[in-house]
Amino acid sequence: KQEVTQIPAALSVPEGENLVLNCSFTDSAIYNLQWFRQDPGKGLTSLLLIQSSQREQTSGRLNASLDKSSGRSTLYIAASQPGDSATYLCAVKAAGNKLTFGGGTRVLVKP
Amino acid sequence: ETGVTQSPTHLIKTRGQQVTLRCSSQSGHNTVSWYQQALGQGPQFIFQYYREEENGRGNFPPRFSGLQFPNYSSELNVNALELDDSALYLCASSPLREGFSYEQYFGPGTRLTVT
Repeated sequence: KQEVTQIPAALSVPEGENLVLNCSFTDSAIYNLQWFRQDPGKGLTSLLLIQSSQREQTSGRLNASLDKSSGRSTLYIAASQPGDSATYLCAVKAAGNKLTFGGGTRVLVKP
Repeated sequence: ETGVTQSPTHLIKTRGQQVTLRCSSQSGHNTVSWYQQALGQGPQFIFQYYREEENGRGNFPPRFSGLQFPNYSSELNVNALELDDSALYLCASSPLREGFSYEQYFGPGTRLTVT
């Protein structure tokens, strides 16, 4: 059974600092890994999708890496801003075409 | 291009009642998945519909059921509501073609409160 873990559960940084968010999964037989952002009480916004054959994806200040063999992904957010404050979720897609989510990392960027 | 929409936004029900939540998938997407997100937790997969048939189910009891319509919109029905059913219910759509793995796009969710 696939299990996804995100550590830490919460993170507080001063504005301008780089953010590093970690995600680990137990079964490396995945199709892809997706990072999402969730604002309080809202739905999920997709940030980056990494296919199983890829090592990383980049979009603006965001960069996500994937190491399938070790079951790890890292989301980097450069030069954090107060608007980056949100919960960040990672999810893996494996057989059965469903997403298995981690518990999320709640990020606070202080001005 | 219209994104994924869900209705209603919020809903309050009493224990034992039944509820229906609705989702319209993004244009061109033939697959709809439903997730339950309890407060402070990650979403949990309920089930997925593809071409009007259930195409995978998570660890949820039969009182959670669904439908997908020819226009790919979908409903989630929950019977005999329990207090623990209080959660944010998320709908996601994606294309599904054999051999490809596509991104899932989520709607804004329906907040269900059971009292």
